Amino acid sequence: QQQVKQSPQSLIVQKGGISIINCAYENTAFDYFPWYQQFPGKGPALLIAIRPDVSEKKEGRFTISFNKSAKQFSLHIMDSQPGDSATYFCAASYRGNQFYFGTGTSLTVIP
Amino acid sequence: DAGITQSPRHKVTETGTPVTLRCHQTENHRYMYWYRQDPGHGLRLIHYSYGVKDTDKGEVSDGYSVSRSKTEDFLLTLESATSSQTSVYFCAISETQETQYFGPGTRLLVL
Repeated sequence: QQQVKQSPQSLIVQKGGISIINCAYENTAFDYFPWYQQFPGKGPALLIAIRPDVSEKKEGRFTISFNKSAKQFSLHIMDSQPGDSATYFCAASYRGNQFYFGTGTSLTVIP
Repeated sequence: DAGITQSPRHKVTETGTPVTLRCHQTENHRYMYWYRQDPGHGLRLIHYSYGVKDTDKGEVSDGYSVSRSKTEDFLLTLESATSSQTSVYFCAISETQETQYFGPGTRLLVL
C-alpha cells in the first residue's frame, strides 16, 4: 500500500510557466514532508520541506502548499526553467525514522 | 554528494549469490539509510541505522540484512540475490533525522 500518492507521473511545462506536483497521504501521524529533486544518474537532493504546523513555505521559486485537513501537499515551481527538468519526489515521515516516498514526477521544461 | 561514497557503483551477479554493498560517509552523521529505487515505486526504505550496531527494518526489508560496526560504514547484504532485487540502491545519511543526503547510488543487476 502506497503511503504517499503522487501525481502526475509526468509533466511538461513551457519555460516561464508554473509547475505543480501534488501528493496525498493517509497517516495523520506524519510530521515532516520533504520534496526531493533528482537528476539522471544522481541521488535525490533535498529541495524544500515543511511541517504540518504551517500551510505554506517558500524558498526562491519553490513553494510547498500544505492542507492538513485534506491530507494533501503540493510543490509549486514558479517561472520554471529548463534546468528544473528532473524527477521530483515527495515524502513523508514520522519522527524521522521511516520515510515514505511518492512514486515520482518527471518534469520537462520546454525552452 | 555530501561526503558519501557507495561501492561498487555497478554490479552484475547471478541468482543465489551473496552480494554486499557498502556505504561510506565522512560527515560523522548518526543516521544512515538504505533505499532501493524502482520505476513506479519511487524510493523505498530497506533498513536504517541510528547508531553503531543499532539498526531497524524499513518498508521492504525481506531478503536484506545490514550491519554498522563503525559510524562511517553501513553495509547492505543480499544473502542470496534474486532477480526481484535488481534495482538501484541508494544510501543516505542524516544528522537530524530530517535532511537526508543521498549517495550516488549502486546499480545492481541480478541475472
